[in-house]
Amino acid sequence: DAKTTQPTSMDCAEGRAANLPCNHSTISGNEYVYWYRQIHSQGPQYIIHGLKNNETNEMASLIITEDRKSSTLILPHATLRDTAVYYCIVRVVEYGNKLVFGAGTILRVKS
Amino acid sequence: NAGVTQTPKFQVLKTGQSMTLQCAQDMNHNSMYWYRQDPGMGLRLIYYSASEGTTDKGEVPNGYNVSRLNKREFSLRLESAAPSQTSVYFCASSEAPQESSGANVLTFGAGSRLTVL
Repeated sequence: DAKTTQPTSMDCAEGRAANLPCNHSTISGNEYVYWYRQIHSQGPQYIIHGLKNNETNEMASLIITEDRKSSTLILPHATLRDTAVYYCIVRVVEYGNKLVFGAGTILRVKS
Repeated sequence: NAGVTQTPKFQVLKTGQSMTLQCAQDMNHNSMYWYRQDPGMGLRLIYYSASEGTTDKGEVPNGYNVSRLNKREFSLRLESAAPSQTSVYFCASSEAPQESSGANVLTFGAGSRLTVL
């Protein structure tokens, strides 16, 4: 299984960009990188995913390095409501499309 | 459009009791999953169903059984609850790619908080 490494926690000032790093050095060529977040004890919420190219949607941007061994999730203008645990996940390419969640990064947005 | 609905939201059991957690999705998704989350930890996959009529074990299947009742519903049963099964349980579903290398985005329910005394 491809595994990911994320910092345990990060702080960000409200209104500034939040940049959350993730290492996935064992990722294989056809495995996607996914980002989810979990606010309080709610169900995880999908944010964005990518394979090789950088991706952007209404929530965030995903920057994947050329060698695909790491990526960065960018929240362009963080708000207090973005305080959550952010999970970087690499999909395991096997029957069932299993997603393995690590401990994630606790992002605290402060005013 | 409710997405993924889990019942019950809260449950307290005594050791040895049995119960079933229900999950239903209205997105016509093919795949469904059950995860558990212990305090301060990430989610761990218990069982999954890649398509109607099939189920498979995940990372932590011991002590659980599942039933994919139809395309919409996927239930998780604890036959004899133990305190180690105290956790928050999340059900999820996904459309699942037609090819194994495709993207697979999960939609999660709100969770079911289970306490076993």
